[in-house]
Amino acid sequence: SQQGEEDPQALSIQEGENATMNCSYKTSINNLQWYRQNSGRGLVHLILIRSNEREKHSGRLRVTLDTSKKSSSLLITASRAADTASYFCATDVGSGGYQKVTFGIGTKLQVIP
Amino acid sequence: DAGVIQSPRHEVTEMGQEVTLRCKPISGHDYLFWYRQTMMRGLELLIYFNNNVPIDDSGMPEDRFSAKMPNASFSTLKIQPSEPRDSAVYFCASSSIRVPRVFVQETQYFGPGTRLLVL
Repeated sequence: SQQGEEDPQALSIQEGENATMNCSYKTSINNLQWYRQNSGRGLVHLILIRSNEREKHSGRLRVTLDTSKKSSSLLITASRAADTASYFCATDVGSGGYQKVTFGIGTKLQVIP
Repeated sequence: DAGVIQSPRHEVTEMGQEVTLRCKPISGHDYLFWYRQTMMRGLELLIYFNNNVPIDDSGMPEDRFSAKMPNASFSTLKIQPSEPRDSAVYFCASSSIRVPRVFVQETQYFGPGTRLLVL
């Protein structure tokens, strides 16, 4: 099964609204990343949050991490039609050596103009 | 930098044929990853290399799949013989560990992918 699981699997909102996506994971992590994938394209890194951080901001993005609940959320404020994409969380697994990253199944976000 | 380059972008082939996917990572990156993405299974890590050496190939589905990295600027993923269930989008990604001796995963940079259809 996936290490990271996003919720919801699909989300449709009006332009200007905020979009919140959640990610839950099973085992302890060193860091968690969020990626965006536009249709037919590769994934693009958005933001990385380390296990000792609780919140991080980047432009209209806000990521929180709750290691006690093994969950993270991605908030996109004032959404735009261009934010329409799939969003994935990625967590590193394993101990020692290189940390292998595992991606969730993604949340498909549609922003309606 | 042009980013991660993959070729071909699209490949249509018949069952039983050999398929070779190619990747050029970002210059200076010392890690290279091959992923497969399908609707059913999401994004799966197939194999990754560090300094051209395969480190973990546990995600390679079966012996029909093989990957090589003959030098720091080129890698191939080969499927021989191909089967319809191999149809997917295959991504190559590269990254660099910026803090030596502290093995923390950093950002991966993805290529545009190769869309493979095996008939």
